[in-house]
Amino acid sequence: QVQLVQSGAEVKTPGASVKVSCKASGYTFTTYDINWVRQATGQGLEWMGWMSPNNGNAGYAQKFQGRVAMTRNTSVSTAYMELSGLRSDDAAVYYCARGLPAASGSWFDSWGQGTLVTVSS
Amino acid sequence: SYVLTQPPSVSVAPGQTARVTCGGINIGSKSVHWYQKKPGQAPVGVVYEDSDRPSGIPERFSGSNSGNTATLTISRVEAGDEADYYCQVWDIRGDYVVFGGGTKLTVL
Repeated sequence: QVQLVQSGAEVKTPGASVKVSCKASGYTFTTYDINWVRQATGQGLEWMGWMSPNNGNAGYAQKFQGRVAMTRNTSVSTAYMELSGLRSDDAAVYYCARGLPAASGSWFDSWGQGTLVTVSS
Repeated sequence: SYVLTQPPSVSVAPGQTARVTCGGINIGSKSVHWYQKKPGQAPVGVVYEDSDRPSGIPERFSGSNSGNTATLTISRVEAGDEADYYCQVWDIRGDYVVFGGGTKLTVL
């Protein structure tokens, strides 16, 4: 079955960077995009961007452009999301999600378990 | 940017029908997807492409989309349906994903 397994919780200081991994199994990794979504405590879901494991192309939400990088290593079927210049309001649970094609864009059929990122001095 | 508007909360008694709306300009021209989010758990897709159900999702979950409103309908609501529900679309023009603000479903 499709599984996305994310790396463990991180504690970072303001200004630092965090890199979260998402290991895929149960399907051909290069077939479907990987998206990243975060949720701060008490807040809603916030989409950060997408990455194509096939060619490495990526697209980011305007809010994160210049601060986020989504990459992959196809040899280990793993996607990565690196967020730099961390601020206190970046504290959240970060999810990776597989994007299945829809009539327009895609929807997210499988999700990682989430990675808690804490930002504290 | 495209905005999706959901009511903050919906309350319903067990066995009744819950309707969660998602408003957006001409949303009927877009594909709408719905997710259930429980505390401490990853989101789960419950309806995709307006009205399709992923495998394993009960038939009690259904969706519709027309005009400026998409609706997630949960029939015969159970205590286990209590969760936050989010609608989602892909804005083709800007090539980005939009989530609604979420609706907390409370089962009385």
